[in-house]
Amino acid sequence: GAVVSQHPSRVICKSGTSVKIECRSLDFQATTMFWYRQFPKKSLMLMATSNEGSKATYEQGVEKDKFLINHASLTLSTLTVTSAHPEDSSFYICSARSTPGNEQFFGPGTRLTVL
Amino acid sequence: GENVEQHPSTLSVQEGDSAVIKCTYSDSASNYFPWYKQELGKGPQLIIDIRSNVGEKKDQRIAVTLNKTAKHFSLHITETQPEDSAVYFCAASFTSGTYKYIFGTGTRLKVLA
Repeated sequence: GAVVSQHPSRVICKSGTSVKIECRSLDFQATTMFWYRQFPKKSLMLMATSNEGSKATYEQGVEKDKFLINHASLTLSTLTVTSAHPEDSSFYICSARSTPGNEQFFGPGTRLTVL
Repeated sequence: GENVEQHPSTLSVQEGDSAVIKCTYSDSASNYFPWYKQELGKGPQLIIDIRSNVGEKKDQRIAVTLNKTAKHFSLHITETQPEDSAVYFCAASFTSGTYKYIFGTGTRLKVLA
């Protein structure tokens, strides 16, 4: 149980385009999902907290107009990187919190490369 | 704000030996402490967790201890195997409110065969 999927696993895009990443909880309902960014050999940096049916809460320094988050259902959250630039290249990971409980279950990650 | 320090950053042990990774948190209100294992190119996987009302928890070769007074918690892996090689992250969180995790900086464990 507690499986989280992410799609796509890898994406390469040209500078200026937008990229959408999907995060799904496959066997449980997730009221809250989280989006993280991870640089090589670094820890996970929380970008935003996404609650189903409401606006995401962004961490300080994260541009909400750049990283659009939608959490339309209890099993799906999406992150759209708008007008991507090379500095947006990174490993993006989502997690879903099981309810009730504290555990966050992580997806396998999406590697974004912006040329 | 909340901060979690993790040591060591790298750790090499011989197969069969024990490995210990330590974390210190700053917010005394934190009450949930998970540990994650991350293999290269993959998402983190929860391996064990502990809540603040418990001092120690064990699951086969893995154990976690918590000292609330000192705001320390540690991961202990006994009888290490090559497949334990990975990056391990600790985190501190709360059982209410935002449920956000504050992650440690990670420990790269290498088990030498």
